[in-house]
Amino acid sequence: AQTVTQSQPEMSVQEAETVTLSCTYDTSESDYYLFWYKQPPSRQMILVIRQEAYKQQNATENRFSVNFQKAAKSFSLKISDSQLGDAAMYFCAYRSAYGNKLVFGAGTILRVKS
Amino acid sequence: NAGVTQTPKFQVLKTGQSMTLQCAQDMNHEYMSWYRQDPGMGLRLIHYSVGAGITDQGEVPNGYNVSRSTTEDFPLRLLSAAPSQTSVYFCASSYGWTGLTDTQYFGPGTRLTVL
Repeated sequence: AQTVTQSQPEMSVQEAETVTLSCTYDTSESDYYLFWYKQPPSRQMILVIRQEAYKQQNATENRFSVNFQKAAKSFSLKISDSQLGDAAMYFCAYRSAYGNKLVFGAGTILRVKS
Repeated sequence: NAGVTQTPKFQVLKTGQSMTLQCAQDMNHEYMSWYRQDPGMGLRLIHYSVGAGITDQGEVPNGYNVSRSTTEDFPLRLLSAAPSQTSVYFCASSYGWTGLTDTQYFGPGTRLTVL
């Protein structure tokens, strides 16, 4: 079974600085998708960014970018120019290309200091 | 579009009581699923459905039942609530489960407490 590990329970960043959240996963498959979801205090789950494993190019979405290292099974999220609104719980998730189930990590709480 | 809606937002039950968490979507999505979120464990899949009349178990299905009689609705039933079912429950839906159709849209969640 696939597993997703987020080793940082909490992270802090100063406003306008850059922070990187870590995620590793375990799978024997070669074709899959990876996601980062944001959960602010409102509890709403919001998709931040998505990466297809067959693409070598790292996905970017405005201030959010990923560092996808397929051989190392690593999928980190970089947030540039951090804003107070970025404060939230961030979840890394995995989905096999041959299935329809999302597997989530335990989450990382990001605190942004002004 | 209202997206994915869940009711109620909060619920307190006594051990042994039954209840149904409602989930509806108006996006004509085929795939719907239920997750529970517990501290330190992320979200775990309870049950899912790939279309009306088709359901299957996820990672933690015990104590929960689902049915999918229409494309829009996917209720989650707790037959006999236990304190271990205290959690936040999320419903999610997506158009499909391949390629770009797999983007899941989440409801606002239901916080359930079982005493």
